[in-house]
Amino acid sequence: SQQGEEDPQALSIQEGENATMNCSYKTSINNLQWYRQNSGRGLVHLILIRSNEREKHSGRLRVTLDTSKKSSSLLITASRAADTASYFCATASQGAQKLVFGQGTRLTINP
Amino acid sequence: GAVVSQHPSRVICKSGTSVKIECRSLDFQATTMFWYRQFPKQSLMLMATSNEGSKATYEQGVEKDKFLINHASLTLSTLTVTSAHPEDSSFYICSASGEANEKLFFGSGTQLSVL
Repeated sequence: SQQGEEDPQALSIQEGENATMNCSYKTSINNLQWYRQNSGRGLVHLILIRSNEREKHSGRLRVTLDTSKKSSSLLITASRAADTASYFCATASQGAQKLVFGQGTRLTINP
Repeated sequence: GAVVSQHPSRVICKSGTSVKIECRSLDFQATTMFWYRQFPKQSLMLMATSNEGSKATYEQGVEKDKFLINHASLTLSTLTVTSAHPEDSSFYICSASGEANEKLFFGSGTQLSVL
């Protein structure tokens, strides 16, 4: 079953604006990861944040993790049309081999 | 970054035929590979976890005799959809990891259409 729940399910913004996506999960985790998927393609790893970290940056991406609330957010700053894609969070739990993916957020950046 | 190659990218077949999809890690040894199925505008549904040299672990509800997985080497896993039917039409994606619970590298996916 899917542990991660993401909101919003779909987000449409203007180019240049910031986009924020949220992910909630239910069990204790080792790390939480964010992936991006362009239509009809495989997923690409964006960023990994460990359970003892609260915030992480990578270029225009900023990820936060609140283990007390079991939630994470992905912020994309200064969005571009090329950021249009689906974004998935995935959680890794202690002792588990597999990642559990959320339902995803479909992001559309309008030029 | 590490590269995972998945072939074919698209296949159209007649009902009743079998289709084999290959997933290769090109520049690293993948101790574990995962196979997913994805319906339009939905998330990935994990089908099975494939460990090199051992039998795959299938998720609940996935027929192991229908979806045959072979992981004979550290760089190759295959998924065979046996006696495919129209309801098997879907997007199939593989992923590989070198270390448990660390980031995954995904193939580009295979769109299967069964007529």
